[in-house]
Amino acid sequence: DAKTTQPTSMDCAEGRAANLPCNHSTISGNEYVYWYRQIHSQGPQYIIHGLKNNETNEMASLIITEDRKSSTLILPHATLRDTAVYYCIVRVRSSGDKLTFGTGTRLAVRP
Amino acid sequence: NAGVTQTPKFQVLKTGQSMTLQCAQDMNHNSMYWYRQDPGMGLRLIYYSASEGTTDKGEVPNGYNVSRLNKREFSLRLESAAPSQTSVYFCASSPYSSNQPQHFGDGTRLSIL
Repeated sequence: DAKTTQPTSMDCAEGRAANLPCNHSTISGNEYVYWYRQIHSQGPQYIIHGLKNNETNEMASLIITEDRKSSTLILPHATLRDTAVYYCIVRVRSSGDKLTFGTGTRLAVRP
Repeated sequence: NAGVTQTPKFQVLKTGQSMTLQCAQDMNHNSMYWYRQDPGMGLRLIYYSASEGTTDKGEVPNGYNVSRLNKREFSLRLESAAPSQTSVYFCASSPYSSNQPQHFGDGTRLSIL
């Protein structure tokens, strides 16, 4: 499994962009990068995923470096409701499609 | 639009009691999963079912059994509960495609005294 490294915690001001980094230097060529978040002990919520190209959806943007060894999740206009633990996960490519969660980044959005 | 539904939401057991946690999804997904989350930690996979009729062990299967009752339902059973199994249990499901995201339920908070 490709392991990921994320900062333990970050903060940003409400209305500003939140940029959450993730290192995955041992990622394999056919492994996707996924981002989930967990708000206050609720079930994890899928945000976005990508393979090589940058991706954008209604929640966030995902920027993957050309060598695929790191990525950044961008929340363009953070709100207080975005305060959560964010998990960067590299998908295990085997039967069952298991997700391996680390401890994630605790993002605090300040008013 | 229910998604993944887990029951019960909360439960307190005594050591040695048995219990079954229920999970159902209405998204016609093939794969289903059971995770546990201990305080301050990420989720760890207990068991999963890649498709109806199959189940496999995950990272921490000891002390648990599972049943994939049909395509919609995947239950987790504790035969003889131990205090070390106090945790929050999450069920998830995904389509049978290896790059599709998993969708999670809201969890069952289980305390074992």
